[in-house]
Amino acid sequence: GDQVEQSPSALSLHEGTGSALRCNFTTTMRAVQWFQQNSRGSLINLFYLASGTKENGRLKSTFNSKESYSTLHIRDAQLEDSGTYFCAANTGYQNFYFGKGTSLTVIP
Amino acid sequence: DMKVTQMPRYLIKRMGENVLLECGQDMSHETMYWYRQDPGLGLQLIYISYDVDSNSEGDIPKGYRVSRKKREHFSLILDSAKTNQTSVYFCASSLWDNTEVFFGKGTRLTVV
Repeated sequence: GDQVEQSPSALSLHEGTGSALRCNFTTTMRAVQWFQQNSRGSLINLFYLASGTKENGRLKSTFNSKESYSTLHIRDAQLEDSGTYFCAANTGYQNFYFGKGTSLTVIP
Repeated sequence: DMKVTQMPRYLIKRMGENVLLECGQDMSHETMYWYRQDPGLGLQLIYISYDVDSNSEGDIPKGYRVSRKKREHFSLILDSAKTNQTSVYFCASSLWDNTEVFFGKGTRLTVV
């Protein structure tokens, strides 16, 4: 089964509003990364967390290894935030496990 | 400048032809990866390389092989390409302990 369950699969936000994306893990993960895939298809690193919370501008991410989840909060959404957001987590061995992504559309 | 570079960015091949996708990184990362991305399936790991000549199959290795003769280069080879190998291929790299991973911009391969 999938080690990473990402939700929601799709999300629409009006400009200026915010929301949270979530990844739940079915096994203990050591670290998590969040990426934005933009309209050109590039995967942009947003956050890497081994624990706790990080913030960068209008984005904030939290990773709780003990409770097996991570969140990505977007506030004051802008049109350029549109894209697909992926979380990827690893157990410390070999592969990263990717969520299936959240497709975010920011509406003017 | 930390970078993962993929060449070519776009490629069209006929069924049965051989395909070589190249990837380079300038971060001296030990670990490198090849993924493919298909709509609805997310990113699937094809191969992982832990260092020169130390490669392991990922989740979907069938139809692919890899070569890593230098730490900074990792190649993906499709011998006799099939139409179902049409996809976007991403290369990535990270330090040996699988900390933060960095992706290239991808190669869009179309097999006709």
